[in-house]
Amino acid sequence: QLQQQQWGAGLLKPSETLSLSCVVYGGSFRGYYWSWIRQAPGKGLEWIGEITHSGSTNYNPSLKSRVTMSVDTSENQFSLKMNSVTAADTAMYYCARGLAGRSAYSSKSYYYFDYWGQGTLVTVSS
Amino acid sequence: SSELTQDPAVSVPLGQTGRITCQGDSLRTYYASWYQQKPGQAPVVVIYDNNKRPSGTPDRFSGSNSGSTASLTITGAQAEDEADYYCHSRDSSDNPVVFGGGTKLTVL
Repeated sequence: QLQQQQWGAGLLKPSETLSLSCVVYGGSFRGYYWSWIRQAPGKGLEWIGEITHSGSTNYNPSLKSRVTMSVDTSENQFSLKMNSVTAADTAMYYCARGLAGRSAYSSKSYYYFDYWGQGTLVTVSS
Repeated sequence: SSELTQDPAVSVPLGQTGRITCQGDSLRTYYASWYQQKPGQAPVVVIYDNNKRPSGTPDRFSGSNSGSTASLTITGAQAEDEADYYCHSRDSSDNPVVFGGGTKLTVL
């Protein structure tokens, strides 16, 4: 059974850099999209970005200028850094595994998050 | 960038059928997946690849897709189904992953 454990600083001051890591146990690191997703208090889910085992990344355009993701395949671990945080970055941050493929039903493709970390609450406050 | 649109709230009487819809251009290319989130918990996938249920998802949950609209149907809603539901899809635009705004399902 795959498990993801995440950690990082939970209290930041404005302008500081958010740093979170997620380690994957019990499953392969290859062949998946490893994402960070956040949820501000009382709000919906917002995708931050993804990274593959080879280090290929995609970021949400609205956050791209402040976000960097990295991967350490020797440790089955991936990380998120977000600089210049403000109060608007206060949220629960989740790591998640993305799985993609071609549907057996049609020419469409599918993509979904099958495992999620427990979440890390990050609060930005002076 | 692509968006996925959901109704903010849906109510369903106990034991009846409730449907949550999700609209977006990305659904013409990618099937939606659906996530259930209860207060204080991480989201959990309940439907993926049109109508597949992960182990643990009750068979009263089903999914469908037509054009740019995806639907999550709960047949015989139970009190424990009360939660927030999010649709999600990959997209080929500049933002490759999108979530709907979420639907709060209330079981009356």
